[in-house]
Amino acid sequence: DSGVTQTPKHLITATGQRVTLRCSPRSGDLSVYWYQQSLDQGLQFLIQYYNGEERAKGNILERFSAQQFPDLHSELNLSSLELGDSALYFCASSLNRVSNEQYFGPGTRLTVT
Amino acid sequence: AQSVTQLGSHVSVSEGALVLLRCNYSSSVPPYLFWYVQYPNQGLQLLLKYTTGATLVKGINGFEAEFKKSETSFHLTKPSAHMSDAAEYFCAVSFSGNTPLVFGKGTRLSVIA
Repeated sequence: DSGVTQTPKHLITATGQRVTLRCSPRSGDLSVYWYQQSLDQGLQFLIQYYNGEERAKGNILERFSAQQFPDLHSELNLSSLELGDSALYFCASSLNRVSNEQYFGPGTRLTVT
Repeated sequence: AQSVTQLGSHVSVSEGALVLLRCNYSSSVPPYLFWYVQYPNQGLQLLLKYTTGATLVKGINGFEAEFKKSETSFHLTKPSAHMSDAAEYFCAVSFSGNTPLVFGKGTRLSVIA
């Protein structure tokens, strides 16, 4: 158990819909990262938050957004969903700015039908 | 830009045999290097990391990896494979702390009895 929690574990929704994925980092970790894992693209970085502020952006679509709240949990919002958005979405957290160890949650499997 | 290449999308070894998973990276600055393991339907678990110091790093479950700057490599080894080692292994790189990881495409390890 990494200490990072993600809900829900599975999500099935239809095209055009909007969903919210939730992540609670390890206690004390200030950084939260979101990654997408798909068969064709592999593991891709989406966005990073550090202590409530957006820190870095990766290959995140404009239809996707995220935020980190004062209690440091984070939410990833996916809207106008397309079939190609079906993937595993992982959240990771880290504290150590020197070694950059990131600890991953169990993921949310999103299926868009 | 940083990139990670994992040679071989699938490696198969006999139980008790040497495990060797290859990882090469490109980075314009000294990298931080990581190996993660993903078991079916689970998140990523950190196996080991290299940041600075000793180039041979030991991780969990008997795995180790050696950072070779001249070869830009960080290959993962284990002297004797167990059935429980069957999983997907990912090599990752970052160029500093508190930054996103760039992942290779992964290598699926199968262990044959």
